[in-house]
Amino acid sequence: DGGITQSPKYLFRKEGQNVTLSCEQNLNHDAMYWYRQDPGQGLRLIYYSQIVNDFQKGDIAEGYSVSREKKESFPLTVTSAQKNPTAFYLCASSRQARDITEAFFGQGTRLTVV
Amino acid sequence: AQSVTQLDSHVSVSEGTPVLLRCNYSSSYSPSLFWYVQHPNKGLQLLLKYTSAATLVKGINGFEAEFKKSETSFHLTKPSAHMSDAAEYFCVVSDNSNTGKLIFGQGTTLQVKP
Repeated sequence: DGGITQSPKYLFRKEGQNVTLSCEQNLNHDAMYWYRQDPGQGLRLIYYSQIVNDFQKGDIAEGYSVSREKKESFPLTVTSAQKNPTAFYLCASSRQARDITEAFFGQGTRLTVV
Repeated sequence: AQSVTQLDSHVSVSEGTPVLLRCNYSSSYSPSLFWYVQHPNKGLQLLLKYTSAATLVKGINGFEAEFKKSETSFHLTKPSAHMSDAAEYFCVVSDNSNTGKLIFGQGTTLQVKP
């Protein structure tokens, strides 16, 4: 089945640690996105990538980093510089960034700082 | 700048009664609009989309929405609520900057009572 896979589903991080969230898609989509979801705030864009080896900051990129070395993979690293990382993180992809038809979402990763 | 406002943070209906989730948008151009649904701790699923074709858009699970330019609204309706409709609903507008960025409303929680 085609889709987007995020792992792990739940992740616990200690203060000062970096953690990496995985996002893989087999839809052959060019564009990929990372969103952060907090209660009552909808989804906010962290980073996006329109093509392999290229990515841009979204609205809340501080404390996060990404890479796009392969078309199907777009991992997100939450660094120790992110002061409030506890949230639900969603990865999405779309066929082409300029073709606004539909974005497909993964099942999410819930990150908790302990 | 584009934005969406979901007018109700929480809506409660009885099973079998109509559903109305309200959304107003702000856009300087003809927008692409979407409604997504999210069940607890899950990713987002597209319900329906408007991309400048017919103003009345039919989606999955009996949902539909009407694009009203004069009112800058894109309200989501369903004639008869089912228990499985209980979820979080997001109204979304596209950024239209050829990046594929989506701008999310705050979300509306739909409660369905037996």
